[in-house]
Amino acid sequence: DGGITQSPKYLFRKEGQNVTLSCEQNLNHDAMYWYRQDPGQGLRLIYYSQIVNDFQKGDIAEGYSVSREKKESFPLTVTSAQKNPTAFYLCASSPRTRTSGTDTQYFGPGTRLTVL
Amino acid sequence: AQKVTQAQTEISVVEKEDVTLDCVYETRDTTYYLFWYKQPPSGELVFLIRRNSFDEQNEISGRYSWNFQKSTSSFNFTITASQVVDSAVYFCALSEHDSSASKIIFGSGTRLSIRP
Repeated sequence: DGGITQSPKYLFRKEGQNVTLSCEQNLNHDAMYWYRQDPGQGLRLIYYSQIVNDFQKGDIAEGYSVSREKKESFPLTVTSAQKNPTAFYLCASSPRTRTSGTDTQYFGPGTRLTVL
Repeated sequence: AQKVTQAQTEISVVEKEDVTLDCVYETRDTTYYLFWYKQPPSGELVFLIRRNSFDEQNEISGRYSWNFQKSTSSFNFTITASQVVDSAVYFCALSEHDSSASKIIFGSGTRLSIRP
């Protein structure tokens, strides 16, 4: 089945530790995205990538880092510099079939990160 | 600036009632895209619909229908004969001004509870 997988589903981290969240897609999508969701709020964009080996900061990139070495994978590292990392993290991808216009984003199941 | 407003934070209705979720947007673009997503308790965002600004026809998909009105900058979502399985958070979203990266901005969501 084609889709987006995120692992782990739940993640616990001690303060001061870096942690990496996995996101893999087998949809052959070019673009991938990371969002953060806090309770009762909408989604905020952390980083996005339109093509392999290229990525851009979103609205709340401070304290996060990403890489895009393969088309299928877009891991997110939450560093110790992120002041309040406890949140629900969602990964998405889109096909970029259009030279203009906005393609639909499809989402993974999310990772819930808790800092102890 | 681009903005999506979902004024209804929470709605609770009894099963089989019809319910409408409101979405009002602001954009300076003449071409833009609107989306609705459903987030059930599991957390994954499920894509429901994508609509471009040139297509003002209302759309119906089973018990779901969408009313797009450019004159009032609204893209409302109606569930007919609601069911308990419709309980979720629903997000309305709008394409960002620079849509080449298929970036979208989300409203804060409406939590819908369907009581048996």
